[in-house]
Amino acid sequence: QIMLTQQAESLWISPGERVSITCRASQSLLYTDGKHYLSWYQQRPGQTTKALIYHASVRTDGVPTRFIGSGSGTEFTLSIEHVQPEDFAIYYCLQTLKSPLTFGSGTKLEIK
Amino acid sequence: EVQILETGGGLVKPGGSLRLSCATSGFNFNDYFMNWVRQAPGKGLEWVAQIRNKNYNYATYYAESLEGRVTISRDDSKSSVYLQVSSLRAEDTAIYYCTRDYGWYFDFWGPGTMVTVSS
Repeated sequence: QIMLTQQAESLWISPGERVSITCRASQSLLYTDGKHYLSWYQQRPGQTTKALIYHASVRTDGVPTRFIGSGSGTEFTLSIEHVQPEDFAIYYCLQTLKSPLTFGSGTKLEIK
Repeated sequence: EVQILETGGGLVKPGGSLRLSCATSGFNFNDYFMNWVRQAPGKGLEWVAQIRNKNYNYATYYAESLEGRVTISRDDSKSSVYLQVSSLRAEDTAIYYCTRDYGWYFDFWGPGTMVTVSS
């Protein structure tokens, strides 16, 4: 199965700063259609899990432009510019290229 | 408005079985794949199972760690998806989420239903 590694379990930052969360795949997530099957999700207490990014870099409807997905092949990054108080949450990557589908272990964004 | 609601969780003894239900509304259920994802207390997300739609012959896929103990099914007439879990173990204790699958990402999630396996 494809393994996804989110090296950082936690990241401590101050509101207004920029942060990058990385996700590394054990094999390329590029499909023959030229798209990467890697998506990002946000989990906040008391709220349903929210999809932020799909195909590595496409924001879902309504997601603020401060959330930026990038990367290719096996290395992917979710960046958040000018982090807002509501962005302190846990972030997961997910690969949907091949079954079994797999999530990264999650990265918790914490207030410094 | 898309709505997803899981039910059927609860306290179950080790070795027991449970059937979780996921009722949906607000979209054409027939068009979508559906998934179950779980999250043990204090742990990360774990994909459990996927069922595709009629166009894909309702094909099903399972996490390797659960294969043989879980069965995903759907009833398009009720816009619902189900997860049958058997031979439950303490490590199956988790919140079980139902998600709509847009084909390449999970675009809507339910609030989840808690399953606790304990004697």
